[in-house]
Amino acid sequence: KAGVTQTPRYLIKTRGQQVTLSCSPISGHRSVSWYQQTPGQGLQFLFEYFSETQRNKGNFPGRFSGRQFSNSRSEMNVSTLELGDSALYLCASSLPGREQYFGPGTRLTVT
Amino acid sequence: QKEVEQDPGPLSVPEGAIVSLNCTYSNSAFQYFMWYRQYSRKGPELLMYTYSSGNKEDGRFTAQVDKSSKYISLFIRDSQPSDSATYLCAMTLNNAGNMLTFGGGTRLMVKP
Repeated sequence: KAGVTQTPRYLIKTRGQQVTLSCSPISGHRSVSWYQQTPGQGLQFLFEYFSETQRNKGNFPGRFSGRQFSNSRSEMNVSTLELGDSALYLCASSLPGREQYFGPGTRLTVT
Repeated sequence: QKEVEQDPGPLSVPEGAIVSLNCTYSNSAFQYFMWYRQYSRKGPELLMYTYSSGNKEDGRFTAQVDKSSKYISLFIRDSQPSDSATYLCAMTLNNAGNMLTFGGGTRLMVKP
């Protein structure tokens, strides 16, 4: 079974721009969660989607948003990028209430 | 103070040693506990998944959960250089969906 895939793997953006990251879950997994990983703050939960509905949201500003499509694929968007948004963005998928499997991440650099 | 505390290391051990990795947490409502391994520039890989207190063994790995002490451990037997990575503990509430709270990670180095 193919794992979680994320595109693009690497991205360089300028302050003030916006970015969209994509995640394809493991086949059959309908829950998709997003996390931000930085050296200073570690892994922090952004939001979770299940059946196209946001089920949980972490403590991040409204510039961070996401959505899920009917095929369970998910996207997250960050608007008005700041230098502090530079991070590894990780997507994880799971069956309902079960363990999460992570993708390789998208490394975003904001200059 | 963070909700989940983990010694950042680095922890350096010789090949073949038994490794003990630990996390403490403050929220007694956490019910599900996980250990992930993350190699440099890769996504976290799930190693162990346990519910509530007790032990779980899988090959060279043993996970222990002590809810009364709010303390979880991961033991690695016969450690190998390929075990060199960052180990992250994670936990979630019973009804919080998939919102994981992570420790900061412990960097492990196994020397040949």
